[in-house]
Amino acid sequence: EVQLVESGGGLVKPGGSLRLSCAASGFTFNNAWMSWVRQAPGKGLEWVGRIKSKTETDYAAPVKGRFTISRDDSRNTLYLQMNSLKTEDTALYYCTTGGGTYFPDYWGQGTLVIVSS
Amino acid sequence: DIQMTQSPSTLSASVEDRVTITCRASQSISTWLAWYQQKPGKAPKLLIYKASSLQSGVPSRFSGSGSGTEFTLTISSLQPDDFATYYCQQYSNYLWTFGQGTKVEIK
Repeated sequence: EVQLVESGGGLVKPGGSLRLSCAASGFTFNNAWMSWVRQAPGKGLEWVGRIKSKTETDYAAPVKGRFTISRDDSRNTLYLQMNSLKTEDTALYYCTTGGGTYFPDYWGQGTLVIVSS
Repeated sequence: DIQMTQSPSTLSASVEDRVTITCRASQSISTWLAWYQQKPGKAPKLLIYKASSLQSGVPSRFSGSGSGTEFTLTISSLQPDDFATYYCQQYSNYLWTFGQGTKVEIK
C-alpha cells in the first residue's frame, strides 16, 4: 500500500524558514518523480514544484528562488525547504507522487503551514 | 501557463441525478487531464486520468470524456457519498494547473 506522510508544518513569522518532510513507502521511491501541491484555506489546489533527481527540479513562479525541493532516496523521504516565507504561503502542503506527464495518483494527508506575525 | 476553467462553480443536485461538470483548457492538452474528488479535511482522491480512464476502485458511475480543450466529468446517478468538491487538472507539461473546483451540494 502506497503511503505518503508529511510532517514539519507549523506557525512561522513572515521572512522565516521551515522544512517539510514526506516519508514515502509502498512503492519504488528511488528516482521516481515526486511533487508538492498546496491548498490555501478555503481555496483551490496549486502546484508548487517537482523533483526527479538533484538536477531535475522545477518550481512554480510564486515560489521559485525561495523554495527548494530535495530528496533522500536512502530514507525514502522528500523535502521542501521554504525560505523567505510570506503570508500568502499559508496553506496545507501535500506531497504527491508524479510530476510532469505522470499524474499524481497518490497524495499524503497534508501538513499545515501558517505564516503570520 | 495553461489555464483551466471549470463550470459551474457550484452545483445543487439530488440523489440519483445525472451530474455533468465541464473543464476547459486555455490551449490544447490532448488527453492529459485528471479529475479529483475532495471532501472537507481530506486529500484529493483521483477519479479519472488520461481524460477518460477510471482509476482502480472508483465506482463506474463516474466517467470522463473529452480531448484538446474541452472535457467533462459525469456522475450518472449521484449518491450521498458523492457530495464533495471536484477538481480537474492538466498534466501536459511540467507545470501542473488545476481548475478552481466545482462544489456539488445537496439540493
